[in-house]
Amino acid sequence: YEVTQPPSVSVSPGQTARIPCSGDKLGDKFACWYQQKPGQSPVLVIYQDTRRPSGIPERFSGSNSGNTATLTISGTQALDEADYYCQTWDNNIGVFGGGTKLTVL
Amino acid sequence: QVQLQESGPGLVKPSQTLSLSCNVSGGSISSVNYHWTWIRQHPGKGLEWIGNIYYSGTTYYNPSLKSRLTISLDTSKNQFSLKLTSVTAADTAVYFCARGDLGMVPGPFDYWGQGTLVTVSS
Repeated sequence: YEVTQPPSVSVSPGQTARIPCSGDKLGDKFACWYQQKPGQSPVLVIYQDTRRPSGIPERFSGSNSGNTATLTISGTQALDEADYYCQTWDNNIGVFGGGTKLTVL
Repeated sequence: QVQLQESGPGLVKPSQTLSLSCNVSGGSISSVNYHWTWIRQHPGKGLEWIGNIYYSGTTYYNPSLKSRLTISLDTSKNQFSLKLTSVTAADTAVYFCARGDLGMVPGPFDYWGQGTLVTVSS
């Protein structure tokens, strides 16, 4: 099973960034999202498609339907510039997307 | 506060076995609420799920690595380990250990180690 992300997404500060993750009937599975900044370990920002862990800002939200899960960052800030990875499970096997580099410019 | 820390050789020769441990502090590795996972990241590339282990000892492995991979628990040391045999340069990567929280079905990775770079070279 594979999930696919665009290599890069650009957004202006204060605007809304949307990062898609596509896979066959992905909407039938749970998706989560990780943020990774250079030289750091990934951080969970969305789980169970739409839920935010404690400490993650409200501007991060998620959705998952059909074949696409989407991470949405509202009011994007410069500090949101990072790599973002979607992840799901297929028959107990973890699957990561290839990652999307979010540039805030 | 839960902390995970990887340890092991930073350099492994081709054809040998890569062995890493992940020490868990601030929580019990025997808890039914979590699974314990290895993830790697090739230089400049994305994340790759290696495999995981549950408190029961049940393991799941990435099909592409399954024939060379063993993940185990050591409850006496509150650690879990990875062994990858017959390594090649393609196994050079930063290896992360992580905790999967089953309370957040189906078990996303809520705590990560800092990662350790393993280079395969003669």
